[in-house]
Amino acid sequence: SAVISQKPSRDICQRGTSLTIQCQVDSQVTMMFWYRQQPGQSLTLIATANQGSEATYESGFVIDKFPISRPNLTFSTLTVSNMSPEDSSIYLCSAGLGGTGELFFGEGSRLTVL
Amino acid sequence: GQNIDQPTEMTATEGAIVQINCTYQTSGFNGLFWYQQHAGEAPTFLSYNVLDGLEEKGRFSSFLSRSKGYSYLLLKELQMKDSASYLCAALPPGNTPLVFGKGTRLSVIA
Repeated sequence: SAVISQKPSRDICQRGTSLTIQCQVDSQVTMMFWYRQQPGQSLTLIATANQGSEATYESGFVIDKFPISRPNLTFSTLTVSNMSPEDSSIYLCSAGLGGTGELFFGEGSRLTVL
Repeated sequence: GQNIDQPTEMTATEGAIVQINCTYQTSGFNGLFWYQQHAGEAPTFLSYNVLDGLEEKGRFSSFLSRSKGYSYLLLKELQMKDSASYLCAALPPGNTPLVFGKGTRLSVIA
């Protein structure tokens, strides 16, 4: 298994600002992903964080808005840039060990944009 | 593409049995996961089916029919703490991550 720590756990942000969310895994993992979960909704994949190279973004998400870093096999960051109230959501870091495809999740970062 | 359907909400009585259904239409399929998510918390793994049939784990069981694109999660002897959202997720082929359904919000009442 993998234990994933995210910070901040929650934040209130002003429109137009940017916030970086950090994700730390307690073991080296093959895959790391960032999901968004809007109120009452399921998880939507933002991107796959690739170690040492640019992230792979899903349709509707772009690097300028959600820059992602993954400098090593245990750490990744997601930045939400130039925030608007529509970005208010929970952002979840997840990791996979390979094999079955099971994902482990961090506790999430709840962002409120005013 | 991927399309996963599950009911939005269900209500069941403490001590009863409830079945949460999930249908999926995917271009390629490597397995079906169920996750539980309590309000304000991260999703946690419940079960994984890759072959047809029933997988039992304590009070929770999960069933898969690949030919029908259908799965269900069965919860027995319901407890109040089982009130949560239950997320069905399909695993596409390759290194593509899980694709989640919208989740079923289960309310257990006394």
